[in-house]
Amino acid sequence: DAGVIQSPRHEVTEMGQEVTLRCKPISGHNSLFWYRQTMMRGLELLIYFNNNVPIDDSGMPEDRFSAKMPNASFSTLKIQPSEPRDSAVYFCASSTPTGGREQFFGPGTRLTVL
Amino acid sequence: GEDVEQSLFLSVREGDSSVINCTYTDSSSTYLYWYKQEPGAGLQLLTYIFSNMDMKQDQRLTVLLNKKDKHLSLRIADTQTGDSAIYFCAEKRQGGYQKVTFGTGTKLQVIP
Repeated sequence: DAGVIQSPRHEVTEMGQEVTLRCKPISGHNSLFWYRQTMMRGLELLIYFNNNVPIDDSGMPEDRFSAKMPNASFSTLKIQPSEPRDSAVYFCASSTPTGGREQFFGPGTRLTVL
Repeated sequence: GEDVEQSLFLSVREGDSSVINCTYTDSSSTYLYWYKQEPGAGLQLLTYIFSNMDMKQDQRLTVLLNKKDKHLSLRIADTQTGDSAIYFCAEKRQGGYQKVTFGTGTKLQVIP
């Protein structure tokens, strides 16, 4: 299996622009998570999907952030408009409800908003 | 509370043992995990322990769980330079929701 795939790996944009991050979870996993990692705040859960349905979006910072999961193999995290304080590494992870419930992380997207 | 706490930094000499500690708050935690993050990469699961276990060993890794004190530790025997990374402790609570709470991470520096 290729693991969790994220694109792009790096994104540099200017303040006010729309940013879309993409994730393909591991085939057969029914849970998907979006995290944000910064030096100041560590690893923060933004949103969690189960069977393509958003279950917990309490971590989404504000209305500028939105996430979708149109099918079991694809999810997007959109920031519109972006701000410099959104600069971070964004991780997608997926898991299966069986076994140890461990989450498998993608390589992350490093976002820089100028 | 939902805190999972770790010390921020640990430095050891190559060949020595490393012990990374973690405390958590929820006694209903079912799974406890150790993840490793190398520079520029995502988190990678190293090992996990079910809450009814006291110890788990996997090659150079030993996980100890003290459920009474809500204390989890990861021991790395014969630490190598390749073990330099950030190590995250995490817990999953009882119930169907798959949310996992991560600690702040401990940066392990291995000195040659």
